[in-house]
Parts: sequence; structure tokens; C-alpha cells
Amino acid sequence: KNEVEQSPQNLTAQEGEFITINCSYSVGISALHWLQQHPGGGIVSLFMLSSGKKKHGRLIATINIQEKHSSLHITASHPRDSAVYICAVSNADKLIFGTGTRLQVFP
Amino acid sequence: KAGVTQTPRYLIKTRGQQVTLSCSPISGHRSVSWYQQTPGQGLQFLFEYFSETQRNKGNFPGRFSGRQFSNSRSEMNVSTLELGDSALYLCASSLGHSVNTEAFFGQGTRLTVV
Repeated sequence: KNEVEQSPQNLTAQEGEFITINCSYSVGISALHWLQQHPGGGIVSLFMLSSGKKKHGRLIATINIQEKHSSLHITASHPRDSAVYICAVSNADKLIFGTGTRLQVFP
Repeated sequence: KAGVTQTPRYLIKTRGQQVTLSCSPISGHRSVSWYQQTPGQGLQFLFEYFSETQRNKGNFPGRFSGRQFSNSRSEMNVSTLELGDSALYLCASSLGHSVNTEAFFGQGTRLTVV
């Protein structure tokens, strides 16, 4: 079993829909990261959080340390949100990555 | 301010050869981490350098090595290339330890081993 699990693996949505991507982990962590990867490979760090909730524009990330679970929400989704979203946890001195959620938003 | 720059962007090598990839971090960042991304294994941590010292290493064979220079630029080297080394190699820079500070990623180097 992977130490970081994401669901769903693939997600399609219509423009304007509310989207939720989930991340569960089984190891102790000091922080959790949400990353966005567009076709071509470049990765952008969206959030780093260790408790509670963070918001940036239409993106919201939450984490529940007791339940070892985090969610990434996208409100009013747009085709430009189409990308792979990756959850990563800071464990000891390294990052452990989930396998990613591929999101496609259609107009 | 300039982002993280990786060179080259694309590379084709023959099995058995060696390769060196370069990463220039954001100015002022002292930590550089390297990652391998393959369709089968996803993203995996290779190693992290901070102030010219290797801070941590992932579970990769000794053929994978790296170094960091005094200007924080980093190189990673893979010797005796195998077909399975074909991957996207990403580096990320951060002000402090990569696991606890925001990481800024480069565009990656896509290595194909034939």
C-alpha cells in the first residue's frame, strides 16, 4: 500500500463545477504540499500546510492531522485548471508523493 | 526574479553512457532537491543539497550522484545508463530545507535512454 494515496485518479468536470481531490497518508508528517503539474512537466507549488485550511483565489486546501487526510477544492472550475494535481507529504527529511489526480475541465 | 532553470530540457543517450544534468536555483535559495518522475513510479526523491552538502538521499543506486557548487547551482550525474533511467528529472529550489519550505520547481529535463 502506498504511503500517500490520492483519489480519484482521474476526474472530468464541466466548467464552473466544484471539484474536490482527496489525499490520505499513513506516515507521520511535518507538512503536506499540493502541487500542480501541467502537460510539458513544469510543477507549481500550490499550498504547503500543516494544519487547518488555506485559500488562494479559487483554490482551498484543508488538512485533518488526526484523520491523516487532506483535500484540495477548486471552486468555479475553468478549463485552465486542467492539470495533474499531486499531493506530497514531508516525512523525516524527504517528500513522499502521491500518484496524482488528472483533472480535465471541459468548457 | 528568474525561476529555477534546468538544462538541457531534452536529452537522448545510449545505454551505458553517462549523463550530467544541471539546475540553477532561484537567487538566494540554498537548497536544491532532485526528483525522478516516471509513468510507473511517479515522483520519487533522489537527493537534496544544502550549502554544498548532501543532506538526504533517496533509495536509488550509486549510479545516481550529485553535487552542489558554492553558488548553489547543482548537477546530478547518472553513470552507466539503463533503459529504466528514462524519465523526467526535476529539480526544486527552496530557501531552507525542502520538506518544510515552499519548493520552486524547474521545467525538468526529459532523458530518454535508447
